[in-house]
Amino acid sequence: DIQMTQSPSSLSASVGDRVTITCRAGQTIRNYLNWYQQRPGKAPKLLIYAASNLQSGVPSRFSGSGSGTDFTLTITTLQPEDFATYYCQQSFSLPITFGQGTRLEIK
Amino acid sequence: EVQLVESGGGLVQPGGSLTLSCAASGFTVSNSYMTWVRQPPGQGLEWVSLIYSGGSTYSADSVKGRFTISRDNSKNTLFLQMNSLRIEDTAVYYCARRREYCSPTSCQTYFDTWGQGTLVTVSS
Repeated sequence: DIQMTQSPSSLSASVGDRVTITCRAGQTIRNYLNWYQQRPGKAPKLLIYAASNLQSGVPSRFSGSGSGTDFTLTITTLQPEDFATYYCQQSFSLPITFGQGTRLEIK
Repeated sequence: EVQLVESGGGLVQPGGSLTLSCAASGFTVSNSYMTWVRQPPGQGLEWVSLIYSGGSTYSADSVKGRFTISRDNSKNTLFLQMNSLRIEDTAVYYCARRREYCSPTSCQTYFDTWGQGTLVTVSS
């Protein structure tokens, strides 16, 4: 199984800040990496697919980068609705695996 | 509008069985790769099972032999039959649709549509 490790596990930031979340795969996954946002009590929402492609309807302040084993999700100019938990997910091989999540909290 | 609506969750005793349903609208389940993902209370996301459009199925080791994913094309509905339930199966269960993105060099997959989730509680 491919282990996905996110850092940090939690993060405090203010509205207007820029934040970066990192996801590391246990082996190379090329760019088979997706990012999801989950607000409390809600289903996950796709933000980024194939490491750097913005899902339709997602604000352009979200961006993704990386390849191989190291990936980042960047949110520029944080908005109040961005405070949520973020998960990376590899689609390179079965079983599909997710990172443990990064909780983004308001400072 | 593309939508998924889960149902069938509830309280069940250890060793019991439960069947979850996921009704789809706006697209055809039989032409799609569908999956179940679960989330224990206060924890992260865990992939459970998937079914390809051709009918092949795969499951996580933690549920293999106990859970069965299937679909009813006439009802455009996905199912998850859960047997021999354990306390550690307690979670919100989500169904999701896979989509594919192809570049000149590769094809990627991702889950673009999710249901609202249904809670399964295994407890005596």
